[in-house]
Amino acid sequence: DTGVSQDPRHKITKRGQNVTFRCDPISEHNRLYWYRQTLGQGPEFLTYFQNEAQLEKSRLLSDRFSAERPKGSFSTLEIQRTEQGDSAMYLCASSFDRGREDTQYFGPGTRLTVL
Amino acid sequence: AQKVTQAQTEISVVEKEDVTLDCVYETRDTTYYLFWYKQPPSGELVFLIRRNSFDEQNEISGRYSWNFQKSTSSFNFTITASQVVDSAVYFCALSSPVGSTLGRLYFGRGTQLTVWP
Repeated sequence: DTGVSQDPRHKITKRGQNVTFRCDPISEHNRLYWYRQTLGQGPEFLTYFQNEAQLEKSRLLSDRFSAERPKGSFSTLEIQRTEQGDSAMYLCASSFDRGREDTQYFGPGTRLTVL
Repeated sequence: AQKVTQAQTEISVVEKEDVTLDCVYETRDTTYYLFWYKQPPSGELVFLIRRNSFDEQNEISGRYSWNFQKSTSSFNFTITASQVVDSAVYFCALSSPVGSTLGRLYFGRGTQLTVWP
């Protein structure tokens, strides 16, 4: 049973460029979450999906951010026109909806550096 | 509003010492869930434990133990006989039900634990 995987693990880009990250959840998990973690802080919620439906978005998710989960399996997070303030670790988590018994399991993260 | 406070930013101990990581939470919900995650230098958050608000029984798992006290809104984590491999950032998190399922996690800022040989 493989865990949550994320690709790439590291991304360095120049300000103004677009970047896209991918997350593959644990195979039977129907929920997928994105969080952002800056240095010295705890992860902050961005958005989550139940199957292919995006059910909640944080106000942290500005118009430059878009997330998709087209077939209810893997998900992508795109950041357009990156800014230096977007530099952070982007974490993906998945869970199986067992009502209130679901626990989120995290991937290794994608570390984004915007120059 | 949900809030988790981990007042200890950094803790350093010598191997074999016991160490307690504090977590204080705020919520208006009567039903909620508390979690601890470990983040080693590799970056991946590793799930350690979850507790629901109706279960105040303390839990022990090997060298790890957790003390949940609703009266003080605390969910503290103790490592007994610490080891170098315990060095990591530890996060406490809170989640409340949204309908019949759990919602997002609210994390504290984390406590960096360093265990010296």
